[in-house]
Amino acid sequence: DAGVTQSPTHLIKTRGQQVTLRCSPKSGHDTVSWYQQALGQGPQFIFQYYEEEERQRGNFPDRFSGHQFPNYSSELNVNALLLGDSALYLCASSLNAGVPYEQYFGPGTRLTVT
Amino acid sequence: AQSVAQPEDQVNVAEGNPLTVKCTYSVSGNPYLFWYVQYPNRGLQFLLKYITGDNLVKGSYGFEAEFNKSQTSFHLKKPSALVSDSALYFCAVRDSRDEEYGNKLVFGAGTILRVKS
Repeated sequence: DAGVTQSPTHLIKTRGQQVTLRCSPKSGHDTVSWYQQALGQGPQFIFQYYEEEERQRGNFPDRFSGHQFPNYSSELNVNALLLGDSALYLCASSLNAGVPYEQYFGPGTRLTVT
Repeated sequence: AQSVAQPEDQVNVAEGNPLTVKCTYSVSGNPYLFWYVQYPNRGLQFLLKYITGDNLVKGSYGFEAEFNKSQTSFHLKKPSALVSDSALYFCAVRDSRDEEYGNKLVFGAGTILRVKS
């Protein structure tokens, strides 16, 4: 049973460019969340997708957008990259059900903006 | 808005000794609490959760956590530490009132655990 997978593993971009990160959820999960983890900090919630719609959003600018596909996989897009966007981007999947299930995290994508 | 505090940046303990990693939280509704561990250059790995019921929760790798509502705490514990437990530990909270809108987690800043042989 595959866990959460993310691609690419590492990415280097220049300020002003755009980037797309990808995530495949754990088998059986229908909800995908994205987090940004800056160096030395805890993960910060970006947004969550369920039923192909953004259900919840954290305090991130509109430069950050996403998408969920019918197979539950998801993409995170960041436009007009800033140096401060350099971070580990984590995808987490879970099951939307009555019981609060834990979120399972992927290994992350390390984004470096130069 | 919910928040989590992990008051210790680093905890040092000798192998074989008990360990405690502290966590306090703040939420409007009832808390759902989680502990995760992160190894270098890796994602977060789930250890245990408290949703309701018994205040002492047992999880993976011999870890347990005690929920204390009056002190709004959820400290992570292990009776006997191993060198391999050395890692970065995160406490996270989800507000039960948030259910309608999603299930985002709010994380603490993390605590580095170093177990020395």
